[in-house]
Amino acid sequence: GENVEQHPSTLSVQEGDSAVIKCTYSDSASNYFPWYKQELGKRPQLIIDIRSNVGEKKDQRIAVTLNKTAKHFSLHITETQPEDSAVYFCAASWKRSNDYKLSFGAGTTVTVRA
Amino acid sequence: NAGVTQTPKFRILKIGQSMTLQCTQDMNHNYMYWYRQDPGMGLKLIYYSVGAGITDKGEVPNGYNVSRSTTEDFPLRLELAAPSQTSVYFCASRPGREAYEQYFGPGTRLTVT
Repeated sequence: GENVEQHPSTLSVQEGDSAVIKCTYSDSASNYFPWYKQELGKRPQLIIDIRSNVGEKKDQRIAVTLNKTAKHFSLHITETQPEDSAVYFCAASWKRSNDYKLSFGAGTTVTVRA
Repeated sequence: NAGVTQTPKFRILKIGQSMTLQCTQDMNHNYMYWYRQDPGMGLKLIYYSVGAGITDKGEVPNGYNVSRSTTEDFPLRLELAAPSQTSVYFCASRPGREAYEQYFGPGTRLTVT
């Protein structure tokens, strides 16, 4: 599979500040990079994703950037709010048997302080 | 649509017991996946299926078995449960080859003591 590393493991930010989470991957053939948000006791939910033919994608207060040469991608959350507190997972695709799978990072626990 | 549903929500097993975790989706998705999530870790792929009758191993298949007799159902079987299988199990599905987004079920929290 793919090796995905995610940093930091925990992140505490003041409400209204920005949060940035970074992930690196090992397989240069990876072409799909989703980010999931998981609230305590809930299922992971996709918040944004990016394909390898795009360098940046934005959706309101969240954005993802991708650097294929360096094999890393980042999640940016601006104007953080208390409801942004959750665990965030990055993932990268890898291929076997002519289909793609996802390998996940270990997660970042984000706490937004009021 | 109910989406992806899983039963049971919680289960406690004794070492050596067996059980089946159920997963059903009503979105007519061809692709289905089983993951496990250990505390402080990301999700690890156990098994996956690209359609009825077709299954394959993921990253951590040992101690598990799956079957896919219908498009809707993808049960995960644990034989001879071990404490190392204590985890939260998530089932996910995706429409097809060119649709990359995976939709997750609510999870089953399993404890083996």
